[in-house]
Amino acid sequence: KQEVTQIPAALSVPEGENLVLNCSFTDSAIYNLQWFRQDPGKGLTSLLLIQSSQREQTSGRLNASLDKSSGRSTLYIAASQPGDSATYLCAVRPAGSGNTGKLIFGQGTTLQVKP
Amino acid sequence: DTAVSQTPKYLVTQMGNDKSIKCEQNLGHDTMYWYKQDSKKFLKIMFSYNNKELIINETVPNRFSPKSPDKAHLNLHINSLELGDSAVYFCASSLTGTGRRFTDTQYFGPGTRLTVL
Repeated sequence: KQEVTQIPAALSVPEGENLVLNCSFTDSAIYNLQWFRQDPGKGLTSLLLIQSSQREQTSGRLNASLDKSSGRSTLYIAASQPGDSATYLCAVRPAGSGNTGKLIFGQGTTLQVKP
Repeated sequence: DTAVSQTPKYLVTQMGNDKSIKCEQNLGHDTMYWYKQDSKKFLKIMFSYNNKELIINETVPNRFSPKSPDKAHLNLHINSLELGDSAVYFCASSLTGTGRRFTDTQYFGPGTRLTVL
């Protein structure tokens, strides 16, 4: 059974710091891995999607890496800003889910960037 | 605006009542989903529909019944509401790849916060 774990559960950093959020999954048989952002009281916004054949994706100050064999992904945020404060969720699409769109989520890392 | 929309945004009701949540997407997607986010922020899929066909039903009590009148709409009806049904319910949509392989990202609605008293 696929399980997704995110560490740490919460993180508080001063503005300008570079930081890394971690995601691990128990079954390496995945189609892809996605990172989402959730603001309080809002829905999820997709940040980056890494296909199982890829090792990383970049968008602006965000860089996500994928090491499928070890079951790990990291989200690197460069030069953090107060506007980055949100909950970051990692989700995998299992390869064994019969080609459905099923996503299995971690519990998220709540990030606070202090001015 | 192109988006996934849900109504209502907030729903407060008594135990035992029946309620519905509506979801619409105008992104031209052919697959829609319902997720439940509990008080610990854990997000779990409930249902998925592709071209109005149910393709995921994740051991959800049969008090929950999804209905998809067309590809752009997926509604969730809940009978005999219980305290444990209190949560935020998210609708999402995506576009399938070739051969029904789902490769595209999912777009989420703003959520419906359900409180059962």
